[in-house]
Amino acid sequence: AQSVTQPDIHITVSEGASLELRCNYSYGATPYLFWYVQSPGQGLQLLLKYFSGDTLVQGIKGFEAEFKRSQSSFNLRKPSVHWSDAAEYFCAVFKAAGNKLTFGGGTRVLVKP
Amino acid sequence: EAGVTQSPTHLIKTRGQQATLRCSPISGHTSVYWYQQALGLGLQFLLWYDEGEERNRGNFPPRFSGRQFPNYSSELNVNALELEDSALYLCASKNRGAGAEKLFFGSGTQLSVL
Repeated sequence: AQSVTQPDIHITVSEGASLELRCNYSYGATPYLFWYVQSPGQGLQLLLKYFSGDTLVQGIKGFEAEFKRSQSSFNLRKPSVHWSDAAEYFCAVFKAAGNKLTFGGGTRVLVKP
Repeated sequence: EAGVTQSPTHLIKTRGQQATLRCSPISGHTSVYWYQQALGLGLQFLLWYDEGEERNRGNFPPRFSGRQFPNYSSELNVNALELEDSALYLCASKNRGAGAEKLFFGSGTQLSVL
């Protein structure tokens, strides 16, 4: 069975500091991996995706993520966070059979001035 | 172009009642997904409809049901509401043949069961 784990429920970071959100997946085949952001009262917005190829993928809003097969990880990073990055972030894996996204539990990011 | 729209934005019910949530997909999208986002539980897959048929179902009891109409809009019905059904219900749409990166989410319906 496929699963996605986000070990950190909450992360607090100072504005201008770097941010790394962890994501581990369990999936037999090469996964299709995604990161989404959910701002308060909003739906989910796709930040970036990994299907194949270069293991470092760039997304919107200055985010990037690195796929590491050996560690079954797909961590999200941003070099310098802005107050507007305060939100909840979800890692997800897509399985073609069943045609659905399976999400991690989410990490809520708080940004201190 | 309008995005995925959900109504109502908020819904308050009492235990044992029924709730009906509605979703209008992006024009041209034939697939509609429903997810439940309960506090502390992340997003759980509920249902997938495409071309009017239920194609896949998550691990939820039968009192969670829905349907998709000929115009591809969808309803989610929750019968015999329980307190733990309180959650944000998100709808998403895409074309069936499109990849998951083409999945667009609505802002959700916040269901509160008292």
